Amino acid sequence: EDKVVQSPLSLVVHEGDTVTLNCSYEVTNFRSLLWYKQEKKAPTFLFMLTSSGIEKKSGRLSSILDKKELFSILNITATQTGDSAVYLCAVEMEYGNKLVFGAGTILRVKS
Amino acid sequence: DGGITQSPKYLFRKEGQNVTLSCEQNLNHDAMYWYRQDPGQGLRLIYYSQIVNDFQKGDIAEGYSVSREKKESFPLTVTSAQKNPTAFYLCASRPGQRGKQYFGPGTRLTVT
Repeated sequence: EDKVVQSPLSLVVHEGDTVTLNCSYEVTNFRSLLWYKQEKKAPTFLFMLTSSGIEKKSGRLSSILDKKELFSILNITATQTGDSAVYLCAVEMEYGNKLVFGAGTILRVKS
Repeated sequence: DGGITQSPKYLFRKEGQNVTLSCEQNLNHDAMYWYRQDPGQGLRLIYYSQIVNDFQKGDIAEGYSVSREKKESFPLTVTSAQKNPTAFYLCASRPGQRGKQYFGPGTRLTVT
């Protein structure tokens, strides 16, 4: 059975801290891994990763994929209260035209 | 402006009633999806459609039905056969068969 596991399930940090969110997967025919941020309604796209070892960066957020160890991390540096959200990891398979989502990590940044 | 719209935002129904959730997109995307989100469980796929007049069951299709008569529209009906329908429902679309999906704002359904 295809499985995506995120850790931790929830996290509380103070503004300015750096956080690392984890996503591990066991799927057949991996194609890509995606990260989304969900702040109450629609998840918004952050990154799509297809190759191992290549870091994707957007401002204070960055992410990297390890296809040998089957995991990805999402780093957020200098956190702000606006980073408070649920962060979702999803894996796309080569066949089947669908995404398999993890349960998400709830991040709360305190001022 | 372009995007995905879902209506209504909140919906309340009595047990035993069917209810239809609307999803419309003006992005000219071929593929559309319905997900259910419960606390602590992430998103689970209900149904998806890759082209008009065709759709496939996802992982939790029991108690749900869909139609895809127009490219822009993919309504989801929650039937009385769905044993635990109270949840947050998200609709998504994407241009082709690969890559990121774009999500609508969701409908929160409460059945009592």
